[in-house]
Amino acid sequence: DIQMTQSPPVLSASVGDRVTLSCKASQNINKNLDWYQQKHGEAPKLLIYYTNNLQTGIPSRFSGSGSGTDYTLTISSLQPEDVATYYCYQYNSGYTFGAGTKLELK
Amino acid sequence: EVQLVESGGGLVQPGRSMKLSCAASGFTFNNYDMAWVCQAPKKGLEWVATISYDGSSTYYRDSVKGRFTISRDNAKSTLYLQMDSLRSEDTATYYCARLIYNSFAYWGQGTLVTVSS
Repeated sequence: DIQMTQSPPVLSASVGDRVTLSCKASQNINKNLDWYQQKHGEAPKLLIYYTNNLQTGIPSRFSGSGSGTDYTLTISSLQPEDVATYYCYQYNSGYTFGAGTKLELK
Repeated sequence: EVQLVESGGGLVQPGRSMKLSCAASGFTFNNYDMAWVCQAPKKGLEWVATISYDGSSTYYRDSVKGRFTISRDNAKSTLYLQMDSLRSEDTATYYCARLIYNSFAYWGQGTLVTVSS
């Protein structure tokens, strides 16, 4: 099974900061990776699909990149409403979520 | 507007069964693959099962194979998850989701299943 490792587990940042969240796969997943945002008490929401494609309605401050085993979600200018837990998810072989990165305001 | 509304959760004893439903609206249900994803309390997300748009193909995570059955009624625009031989580790919020290719594009609000004596 493919393992997905997200880092850091918790990230504190200030409004306006550029934030980078990482996700590392245990083997090459050929860009078959999504990013989901889950705010407290809510259902998850799709942000980015197939590594770097912004889902409809998602602000352009969110972007994704990566290849092979290493992937990144970037928020160009952190907003208060971005406080959430972010999950990466691979579907190259089986279906596996990472453990999440909890993003907090400093 | 796409809407997915889960129901059927609650408290159930270990070894017993429970059936979840997900009522879909706002889109042509029989055009899309559907899935169930779960989240144990204060834990991360886990894919549970997927069913093709016509119900002809189903896929399960290893820990639920032989115990859970995903199905759909396209005439009723409803997705189901039959859960048998429930274990304490099945305790979670269960979300239904509409797939676009392999991505969970839309999610319901979830229904909590608690397996406890």
